[in-house]
Amino acid sequence: GAVVSQHPSWVICKSGTSVKIECRSLDFQATTMFWYRQFPKQSLMLMATSNEGSKATYEQGVEKDKFLINHASLTLSTLTVTSAHPEDSSFYICSALGLASYYEQYFGPGTRLTVT
Amino acid sequence: KNEVEQSPQNLTAQEGEFITINCSYSVGISALHWLQQHPGGGIVSLFMLSSGKKKHGRLIATINIQEKHSSLHITASHPRDSAVYICAVGFSGGGADGLTFGKGTHLIIQP
Repeated sequence: GAVVSQHPSWVICKSGTSVKIECRSLDFQATTMFWYRQFPKQSLMLMATSNEGSKATYEQGVEKDKFLINHASLTLSTLTVTSAHPEDSSFYICSALGLASYYEQYFGPGTRLTVT
Repeated sequence: KNEVEQSPQNLTAQEGEFITINCSYSVGISALHWLQQHPGGGIVSLFMLSSGKKKHGRLIATINIQEKHSSLHITASHPRDSAVYICAVGFSGGGADGLTFGKGTHLIIQP
């Protein structure tokens, strides 16, 4: 139980295009999901908190107009990287908060984005 | 500033050795996580702790809330344990928040 999937697992796109990454909780409902990113040889960093049915909360320094988050259902949150640039190339990971254990976070496998 | 410090940054050991990875944090937390990240990037959650000690197979995690310190132990280490181990904490007075991560410990177990 408590499986989180991400799609796609990797994507290459051209500079200036937009890319959508999906995060799904497969066997549980998640009112809260988190989006993290990891640049090469760096720590994971929280980008935003996604709450079902409301606006996402972004961390300082993360552009909300560039990283669009939609959490339209209890099992799906999407992250859209708009007008992607090479510096957006990173590893993006989502996690979902389990309802049974308030602090338990279940991680997706991650999406590697390369912008050329 | 909420910080998470891990040590050592890199650790190479021989198969069978007892491994300890340490994590210290700066302020009160709601929960501490130990995660494992393999070269492809995927993350596996090993433990979530708010107090005491947990054991799963050859892995043991402990936390001392007063000292703001946690340790991850691996007994009878094996080459397949080679990975990056990450300590992550939720800094919050209540409720669940996004995590703050340590820089990770790169563990290599040699046969």
